[in-house]
Amino acid sequence: DAGVIQSPRHEVTEMGQEVTLRCKPISGHDYLFWYRQTMMRGLELLIYFNNNVPIDDSGMPEDRFSAKMPNASFSTLKIQPSEPRDSAVYFCASSDSGRALYEQYFGPGTRLTVT
Amino acid sequence: SQQGEEDPQALSIQEGENATMNCSYKTSINNLQWYRQNSGRGLVHLILIRSNEREKHSGRLRVTLDTSKKSSSLLITASRAADTASYFCATGPTGANSKLTFGKGITLSVRP
Repeated sequence: DAGVIQSPRHEVTEMGQEVTLRCKPISGHDYLFWYRQTMMRGLELLIYFNNNVPIDDSGMPEDRFSAKMPNASFSTLKIQPSEPRDSAVYFCASSDSGRALYEQYFGPGTRLTVT
Repeated sequence: SQQGEEDPQALSIQEGENATMNCSYKTSINNLQWYRQNSGRGLVHLILIRSNEREKHSGRLRVTLDTSKKSSSLLITASRAADTASYFCATGPTGANSKLTFGKGITLSVRP
């Protein structure tokens, strides 16, 4: 399996622009997680899905952030409008409740820079 | 707020030495996991220990869990330069919930 795939790997955008991050989880995994990592705050869970349904979005910082999972093999995290404080590395992770519910497999991350 | 707090924040050792990293947490857990992150990469799952287990081994890794003290330790024996990375503990809550809470991590440097 190719593992969790994220795109783009790097994104540089100007404040006020819309940013869309993409994730393809491991095939067969039924949980998908979006995290944000910064030096100041560490790794924060933003939202997670089970069988394409959002279960907990309490970590989403504000209404500028939205996430969707239209099918089992694709998810997006959108920031509109973006702000410099959104600069971070965004990770997507997936897990398989049938085999190892609690072990998460991370993608390589998207490094977002908002100028 | 952070559930897992790792200690020390940074550790530098010589190749061949053992590395011990600690994690403390606040609330009841179902499981505790350790992950490794190499620079510029995503996190990689290393080992999981359940709340009813006290010790677990995987290759050169040994994890202990003391639920009475709400603490865990990760021991890497005979360290190698390739072990240089950041290490995170993550706690899974009780109940049917796969959500994990990560600590801020420990930076381990292994000098060749």
